[in-house]
Amino acid sequence: NAGVTQTPKFQVLKTGQSMTLQCAQDMNHEYMSWYRQDPGMGLRLIHYSVGAGITDQGEVPNGYNVSRSTTEDFPLRLLSAAPSQTSVYFCASSYRRDRHSGNTIYFGEGSWLTVV
Amino acid sequence: QQQVKQSPQSLIVQKGGISIINCAYENTAFDYFPWYQQFPGKGPALLIAIRPDVSEKKEGRFTISFNKSAKQFSLHIMDSQPGDSATYFCAAAERSNTGKLIFGQGTTLQVKP
Repeated sequence: NAGVTQTPKFQVLKTGQSMTLQCAQDMNHEYMSWYRQDPGMGLRLIHYSVGAGITDQGEVPNGYNVSRSTTEDFPLRLLSAAPSQTSVYFCASSYRRDRHSGNTIYFGEGSWLTVV
Repeated sequence: QQQVKQSPQSLIVQKGGISIINCAYENTAFDYFPWYQQFPGKGPALLIAIRPDVSEKKEGRFTISFNKSAKQFSLHIMDSQPGDSATYFCAAAERSNTGKLIFGQGTTLQVKP
């Protein structure tokens, strides 16, 4: 059971380049999301998905695209990288929430992205 | 606007002491309040969580205290150990949507031997 797997672990991009951060989970979770972590700002939600074919914006969606064609995969695309997108990116997944038991969200180990 | 405010930013505690981290929120629609622990180079991992219908939840050395009227909640780590040295994040989520956590800014805890 691999949990939430992110690739690549590290990436350096030039301004204007595009790339895709991959995320896969093997827990059959309905919900998946992407966060970015910046010093002093905690984690901020970029995009999320409540199931295959359904995505929505989070707090900081500009400059990023997502799609959810399968339950397992939720890639994050940077269309034209900017230095402001230098950050650590975390993918997360969870089951549909149970009102009585709350919810456990599982995070991947992160992708370190530097845009120069 | 930061919906969940966390303090302090950093904390140094002696081994065996009590570590206390505080969070405050604005949105009264929040009804799920987890704490996450993150070690360097790793993703956050759920530590403990509370719903607003209880004022306290304890799991081992970790306790969440919740004050609904003040819109505040805190994490207490009893008998702090060097292995507890990590970054701690409080978070909140609305009843209507899971996977959509709003995080505090984080607290870096150092427990000195």
